[in-house]
Amino acid sequence: AQSVTQLGSHVSVSEGALVLLRCNYSSSVPPYLFWYVQYPNQGLQLLLKYTTGATLVKGINGFEAEFKKSETSFHLTKPSAHMSDAAEYFCAVIIGSQGNLIFGKGTKLSVKP
Amino acid sequence: KAGVTQTPRYLIKTRGQQVTLSCSPISGHRSVSWYQQTPGQGLQFLFEYFSETQRNKGNFPGRFSGRQFSNSRSEMNVSTLELGDSALYLCASSSWTGRQETQYFGPGTRLLVL
Repeated sequence: AQSVTQLGSHVSVSEGALVLLRCNYSSSVPPYLFWYVQYPNQGLQLLLKYTTGATLVKGINGFEAEFKKSETSFHLTKPSAHMSDAAEYFCAVIIGSQGNLIFGKGTKLSVKP
Repeated sequence: KAGVTQTPRYLIKTRGQQVTLSCSPISGHRSVSWYQQTPGQGLQFLFEYFSETQRNKGNFPGRFSGRQFSNSRSEMNVSTLELGDSALYLCASSSWTGRQETQYFGPGTRLLVL
């Protein structure tokens, strides 16, 4: 069965440090891949999306993710963390003809001053 | 430009009842999708509508249904409510510029089933 695994339910980084949030998926066919962010007491927001083409995808707020087919990964990165990046991040994948979007369990990012 | 509007914002129902939630997308957006968020199951995709047609579908029982009207407004209906249907129901509207998708979420409807 298709699935999405986010490694680490909580990640803590210092302000200015690299942010790396990991996402792996299982699929035998090329997937569509997404990252979403949910800020405290705010709604969900689409950060970025990969469909086809360039494997490095740039999103909003300085985030980017790279689709690596050989590793079945779509990790999210940001070179320098800001306090405002503290939020919960969800990786998601569409696999299959019905277009079912499957979410990972989420990773809560904390940013220390 | 007004954002995505969901009504009602809060709702309390009892088991066995049915409920209809409404979502008004951003003007000009033709795609509306629905999601369920619970502490236990996390985020789950319900369905997506585009130009009044269901385009994608999640893995929910037939008690969950939706529709989209010609003005792109969408409704989601849950019949024979169960306790486990208590959740935050999110709606999002999307538009595309070339291959770039922009998606905006509403604040959600919080449903409590007693």
